Amino acid sequence: DTGVSQDPRHKITKRGQNVTFRCDPISEHNRLYWYRQTLGQGPEFLTYFQNEAQLEKSRLLSDRFSAERPKGSFSTLEIQRTEQGDSAMYLCASSLQQGRMVETQYFGPGTRLLVL
Amino acid sequence: AQKITQTQPGMFVQEKEAVTLDCTYDTSDPSYGLFWYKQPSSGEMIFLIYQGSYDQQNATEGRYSLNFQKARKSANLVISASQLGDSAMYFCAMRFINQFYFGTGTSLTVIP
Repeated sequence: DTGVSQDPRHKITKRGQNVTFRCDPISEHNRLYWYRQTLGQGPEFLTYFQNEAQLEKSRLLSDRFSAERPKGSFSTLEIQRTEQGDSAMYLCASSLQQGRMVETQYFGPGTRLLVL
Repeated sequence: AQKITQTQPGMFVQEKEAVTLDCTYDTSDPSYGLFWYKQPSSGEMIFLIYQGSYDQQNATEGRYSLNFQKARKSANLVISASQLGDSAMYFCAMRFINQFYFGTGTSLTVIP
């Protein structure tokens, strides 16, 4: 089991550019979450997928943000026309939701975005 | 609305001593789950311990235990026999329906 992986680990971009992040969850996990974490804060929920279906999106997820999980495995998070306020750590987590089992999220190492 | 509060921005503990990190939560729903995560300087969130709202006993995982007081809506993390490697940010989180809500974290420093 290789755990949750994220790519890239760091991204520096200029304001106005588009960026895309990738998350590979633990292989048997059916749920995948995206969070944003800014300095001094806890992770803030952005969106989550059950298999390939995007079931919930936060109000934080403006129309410049889009996420996909096309085959129910890896997921991508794209930010279009980046702004300096998008600078943050973007965390991906996966979990296995089965019946009454406790759903525990396992996090990836995150992608740190800096928008200049 | 669901809310998690961690009132201790920073804590210090002597190596080998025990430390309690506070967490209170606010929800009107009877069904929820409470989690604690550790985030070292490397950034990865590490799951530590879980407590379900219907669990009768406090959860324990090795040196970690959760002091769950449902009536007071508190879920404090107790770390026994602190080690230098315990120095990190600690986040309390609540799972409600299909979302996880995190507190602002407590920075723990273990002093040799």
